[in-house]
Amino acid sequence: DTGVSQDPRHKITKRGQNVTFRCDPISEHNRLYWYRQTLGQGPEFLTYFQNEAQLEKSRLLSDRFSAERPKGSFSTLEIQRTEQGDSAMYLCASSLGTGTIGNTIYFGEGSWLTVV
Amino acid sequence: AQTVTQSQPEMSVQEAETVTLSCTYDTSESDYYLFWYKQPPSRQMILVIRQEAYKQQNATENRFSVNFQKAAKSFSLKISDSQLGDAAMYFCAYRSNTGTASKLTFGTGTRLQVTL
Repeated sequence: DTGVSQDPRHKITKRGQNVTFRCDPISEHNRLYWYRQTLGQGPEFLTYFQNEAQLEKSRLLSDRFSAERPKGSFSTLEIQRTEQGDSAMYLCASSLGTGTIGNTIYFGEGSWLTVV
Repeated sequence: AQTVTQSQPEMSVQEAETVTLSCTYDTSESDYYLFWYKQPPSRQMILVIRQEAYKQQNATENRFSVNFQKAAKSFSLKISDSQLGDAAMYFCAYRSNTGTASKLTFGTGTRLQVTL
């Protein structure tokens, strides 16, 4: 088991450009989460998929943000027209869940975004 | 909405000593899970210990144990025989076990330093 992998690990982009992050969850995990973490803060929930269905979105996820999980495997998080306030680490996580059982959520190493 | 509060931004402990990290939370639910996650400088979040709210017995994992006080909504982490490798950010997190809720809500973290 290779764990949750994220790509790219670091991205520097100019304000106004679009960026896309990819997350490959642990094999067989049906739940996938995106979080955002800024320096000195805990991760903040962005969105959550169960298989290919996006079941919850935070109000932090403005209309410039879109997440997909087309085949219920890997996921992408796209940020359009990036702003300096988007600079953060974007964490992906996955778990194997049925119902509301609190199975362990495993995190990737994160993708750092710097908007200049 | 649930909130998680960690009132100690930084803590320091000498190697081989014991340290306790504090966490309080606010919720109107009775069925939930609590977690402590560790985030070393490499940034990957690792689960340290979890506690089911319906269990009165405090969880333990080797050198890590919790003091779960449900009425007081308190969930502290005790690290015994501290090691240099314990130095990291520690996050307390809450997860509902009702409805379809699946996300984690994190506190702002406590940075633990371990000195010789």
